[in-house]
Amino acid sequence: DTAVSQTPKYLVTQMGNDKSIKCEQNLGHDTMYWYKQDSKKFLKIMFSYNNKELIINETVPNRFSPKSPDKAHLNLHINSLELGDSAVYFCASSPWGGISYEQYFGPGTRLTVT
Amino acid sequence: ILNVEQSPQSLHVQEGDSTNFTCSFPSSNFYALHWYRWETAKSPEALFVMTLNGDEKKKGRISATLNTKEGYSYLYIKGSQPEDSATYLCAPLNQGGKLIFGQGTELSVKP
Repeated sequence: DTAVSQTPKYLVTQMGNDKSIKCEQNLGHDTMYWYKQDSKKFLKIMFSYNNKELIINETVPNRFSPKSPDKAHLNLHINSLELGDSAVYFCASSPWGGISYEQYFGPGTRLTVT
Repeated sequence: ILNVEQSPQSLHVQEGDSTNFTCSFPSSNFYALHWYRWETAKSPEALFVMTLNGDEKKKGRISATLNTKEGYSYLYIKGSQPEDSATYLCAPLNQGGKLIFGQGTELSVKP
C-alpha cells in the first residue's frame, strides 16, 4: 500500500481554470504538508495542517486554498490558474510533536498550465 | 528565512569511491537538520534527522554529522555504488516548524 498518495499524477489545464489535487496518507500521521518544486528545483513549503487545523500558511497567492476534511487527507484547490503555477506539487506527512520526525512524501503531481 | 547552501551542486564519481557533501545554514533559529535522498522519478525519502550539536548518524554506508554552532552538516557515502545515484537534499527545520530545503547535491556513480 502506498503510504502517501496523490491524484492526479499529471494535470494539464488551461489558464483561468480551477483545479484540485488530492492527497491521502495511511500512516496515521497528524500533520500534512503541501510543497511546490519551483523552476530552480527547490522544494518550498506552502501549507501545513495538523489534525485538520492550518498551522503553516506561507506567502502564496490566495488562489491556492488547502482543505483538510480529516487528518488523513489534505487537498489543494487552485483557482484561476496562471502559467506561473506550472510546477510539481508534493504532499507530505509526519507525526506531530517533537522535532525529530521525518516527513514522508507523495509521488508528486506535475501541473502544466497552458 | 534561512539560507541553505549545499555543495557541490553535482558530483560524478566512480563505483567504489567515497564521497562527501556539505550543507551550510544559519545557526540561529535552528531546531533540527533533515537529510533526504531523492531518486529521479521518485519522491524524497528521509535519511537522517539530527538535532544535537555533534550528532552523528549512520545508515549502512551513509553517515552524517552535525555542527549546530557553526551551522553545517556533512553527509558521507563510503564505497559509492550506482544505486546511490540520486539528489541529496538537506533541510534545516526552523522554529516555525518549516523545513527549508537546499537545492541539493546531485550524485552520479558510474560502474
